[in-house]
Amino acid sequence: DAGITQSPRYKITETGRQVTLMCHQTWSHSYMFWYRQDLGHGLRLIYYSAAADITDKGEVPDGYVVSRSKTENFPLTLESATRSQTSVYFCASSELVGRGNEQYFGPGTRLTVT
Amino acid sequence: KNQVEQSPQSLIILEGKNCTLQCNYTVSPFSNLRWYKQDTGRGPVSLTIMTFSENTKSNGRYTATLDADTKQSSLHITASQLSDSASYICVVSARYGGATNKLIFGTGTLLAVQP
Repeated sequence: DAGITQSPRYKITETGRQVTLMCHQTWSHSYMFWYRQDLGHGLRLIYYSAAADITDKGEVPDGYVVSRSKTENFPLTLESATRSQTSVYFCASSELVGRGNEQYFGPGTRLTVT
Repeated sequence: KNQVEQSPQSLIILEGKNCTLQCNYTVSPFSNLRWYKQDTGRGPVSLTIMTFSENTKSNGRYTATLDADTKQSSLHITASQLSDSASYICVVSARYGGATNKLIFGTGTLLAVQP
């Protein structure tokens, strides 16, 4: 029962580099989400996806790109990393978004941009 | 503006003691309120979910209350254990059209349980 996994767990990269964070879930949940968590802020939604090939922006999408060619995978790409993107990134999934439906979070990826 | 505010920011208690964490929100239209526990270095894990009509919900030693009139919630932890040391996050769901709900996260209360 793998659930939802993220890789890598830790990443250090340089400003301007492209970085891709991976997210994989084994539940066949329809919805998947990417959040970032920074000190002094609650988790903030970057992008979400309602199904394969359907994605939409969240609260803080600038500088990020997502894709969802398969239901189980939802990679997040930083096309040209900046120091302000240093953060902990969480992927989550849920069966349906709506009243009471639970979001299950991955273990997170700690990204440092130098 | 939709906001979720939690207090205190941090709390230290002795093992075996009880504690109560607070959450105030200004979210509309309200759908549900969730409490999550986040251990250091891990993702948040759900403790409780309450809808408008529910004013209390328990999960073991955790009891959440909701007052939809005053837009306040609390999480009460009974007989604390060292493993309760974590950040507790209040999350309010705003109901939008169709099946899409927006989650508004508080910044969390960091609880440390000491022996």
